[in-house]
Amino acid sequence: DAKTTQPTSMDCAEGRAANLPCNHSTISGNEYVYWYRQIHSQGPQYIIHGLKNNETNEMASLIITEDRKSSTLILPHATLRDTAVYYCIVSLGGNQGGKLIFGQGTELSVKP
Amino acid sequence: EPEVTQTPSHQVTQMGQEVILRCVPISNHLYFYWYRQILGQKVEFLVSFYNNEISEKSEIFDDQFSVERPDGSNFTLKIRSTKLEDSAMYFCASSGYEEATQYFGPGTRLTVL
Repeated sequence: DAKTTQPTSMDCAEGRAANLPCNHSTISGNEYVYWYRQIHSQGPQYIIHGLKNNETNEMASLIITEDRKSSTLILPHATLRDTAVYYCIVSLGGNQGGKLIFGQGTELSVKP
Repeated sequence: EPEVTQTPSHQVTQMGQEVILRCVPISNHLYFYWYRQILGQKVEFLVSFYNNEISEKSEIFDDQFSVERPDGSNFTLKIRSTKLEDSAMYFCASSGYEEATQYFGPGTRLTVL
C-alpha cells in the first residue's frame, strides 16, 4: 500500500498557484519524497523530489515540513496543461532499488 | 533530452499467445523497471532489474512473466501465455546511479482478446 495520503481532487484557476498537499507520517529517514504526474494514460512524468530540504526546479517547488511528515508541491502559475493526476511517493530512490508505490493521487483540474 | 522509449505503442494479441514488450532505457542508466496500469486503476510495480538480474518483483510478476536485457540497449518484458486480465498499459522506467530518479517511457497498451 502507498505510504502517502493525498486529497482525491483539487481545482485551481489558471495563472494561480496550485498547492498540492501530501501526508507521509511514516516516512523513514532515508526515504525521499517524489512527485510525479500523469496526464490521461501517458507515462508518469517526474516533477521533483527531496529528502529534507525544500527544492525548486523549472517545473515546481517542493516544501517539506521539518519533521518530514508532510509536504506540499507548488505549481507557481498553473496552466491548463497542468491538468493531471499528481502522485506523491516516498521511496528509497532508484540506486537503492527503490520501487515506486503509486497511490490514487490528486486529480488537479486547472480551470480557465 | 534523453528519454525512455517503448515499442510497440499498442499491441493486440489473442489469449494464450506470447508477447514481448520492448523498452530502450536512458543510455547510462543501470536500474530498470516495469510497471503496469489496468484501465482506471493505479500504476502497479511489477519488477526491478539491476546487474543482469531481478532485484525485486511483485506478486503480480508470476512465472508467466520474464524480463531480459538481451543487449546493451534493450530491456524486454515477456508474457508467455497472455490472459484477458493482462490487458493494461505497461510502462518501462530506468534510473541511474548518481541520478536515482526513475524516468518513465510512454507505455505500451496491451489488449488481450
